[in-house]
Amino acid sequence: GQQVMQIPQYQHVQEGEDFTTYCNSSTTLSNIQWYKQRPGGHPVFLIQLVKSGEVKKQKRLTFQFGEAKKNSSLHITATQTTDVGTYFCAYNAGNMLTFGGGTRLMVKP
Amino acid sequence: DVKVTQSSRYLVKRTGEKVFLECVQDMDHENMFWYRQDPGLGLRLIYFSYDVKMKEKGDIPEGYSVSREKKERFSLILESASTNQTSMYLCASSSPGILVEQYFGPGTRLTVT
Repeated sequence: GQQVMQIPQYQHVQEGEDFTTYCNSSTTLSNIQWYKQRPGGHPVFLIQLVKSGEVKKQKRLTFQFGEAKKNSSLHITATQTTDVGTYFCAYNAGNMLTFGGGTRLMVKP
Repeated sequence: DVKVTQSSRYLVKRTGEKVFLECVQDMDHENMFWYRQDPGLGLRLIYFSYDVKMKEKGDIPEGYSVSREKKERFSLILESASTNQTSMYLCASSSPGILVEQYFGPGTRLTVT
């Protein structure tokens, strides 16, 4: 079935640097969701994107859905140690979520 | 506050044992899901249920079965545990539909020796 590829798999940044994770599909997606999983925790829903070219912001986090609805990105401005965790994209088709492999973000203070 | 609970945070079982993982949600959600999470592989869907006594196979159902006798409870069963089933197991629930979020439980770290 459809798959979403997420890159990079890992990212180390210095606190204050920006961070971006990308989610790519070979086929058009009807929607994309983003989740964050803190170390030792469980995935928590962040946001959902539905429209072509959609951009949403949550404080320092900016989420984009590509014009062709085949890719999405999550950008964090000026990372903080509280941003540490794994970020997953996922798309929902017919009640089921299919997840990307996740990007693990590590922030050096 | 919405809540999904799982019966154990950590579990150690021997090869060949029958293992039950329980999940309970208090949000009256129709949909419930079982995932396993392994490093580098993300979350992979094992089974899901969209109603009581209904179940659908996910991407990796082999070696697992499920039971949903009540709306709030979804059980994952390993009939004969094997070492390659050592993993983190996450339960989730959601309302029906595509544009809905899933709520996850805290996870059960299962080790099969």
